[in-house]
Amino acid sequence: GENVEQHPSTLSVQEGDSAVIKCTYSDSASNYFPWYKQELGKRPQLIIDIRSNVGEKKDQRIAVTLNKTAKHFSLHITETQPEDSAVYFCAASRALGGQNFVFGPGTRLSVLP
Amino acid sequence: EAGVAQSPRYKIIEKRQSVAFWCNPISGHATLYWYQQILGQGPKLLIQFQNNGVVDDSQLPKDRFSAERLKGVDSTLKIQPAKLEDSAVYLCASSLVAVFNEQFFGPGTRLTVL
Repeated sequence: GENVEQHPSTLSVQEGDSAVIKCTYSDSASNYFPWYKQELGKRPQLIIDIRSNVGEKKDQRIAVTLNKTAKHFSLHITETQPEDSAVYFCAASRALGGQNFVFGPGTRLSVLP
Repeated sequence: EAGVAQSPRYKIIEKRQSVAFWCNPISGHATLYWYQQILGQGPKLLIQFQNNGVVDDSQLPKDRFSAERLKGVDSTLKIQPAKLEDSAVYLCASSLVAVFNEQFFGPGTRLTVL
């Protein structure tokens, strides 16, 4: 089955700096890669996603890149703000028959003012 | 639109007791998921329903966990008997049938087994 690894497990950046979180997956048939943000004590919420037919996607300060050959994808946050502090989870899935997401272990991002 | 609802929000039980969690998905969402999230880890899928049928329950510990979605809407997840290692947050999520759709998560039920 699919296995998703995520690095780093914790990340601290100064406000205004950029943050990068990297994930690798094992199943070459995976074709949908969402990123979820989970604030302390709250539910995970989708922040951006990418399909396997696209190499990069951007939404304001957030971007995701995908390298299908190497089976890795990354989340990039620019101009970080204190409210970006949260745990970020990547996931991989085959978008067939209901999208069974396999989540990475998470990255705790702290943005220091 | 109303989000995914779950209850209870918190539950404390002793090992070997039983417990049940309830989930009401977003209206119109045919796919429903139950995840187990152990502290410091990512959510792990326990079971996935498409309407009232099971799509994937390969990671559900069937000797103690059961789930149903009888009318294709609400769902219940039961643990009987509970073990210490079942302490976790149980998240319910739902999505539309179509592929490449976002999963919307409920607030979760935090279970503590003593």
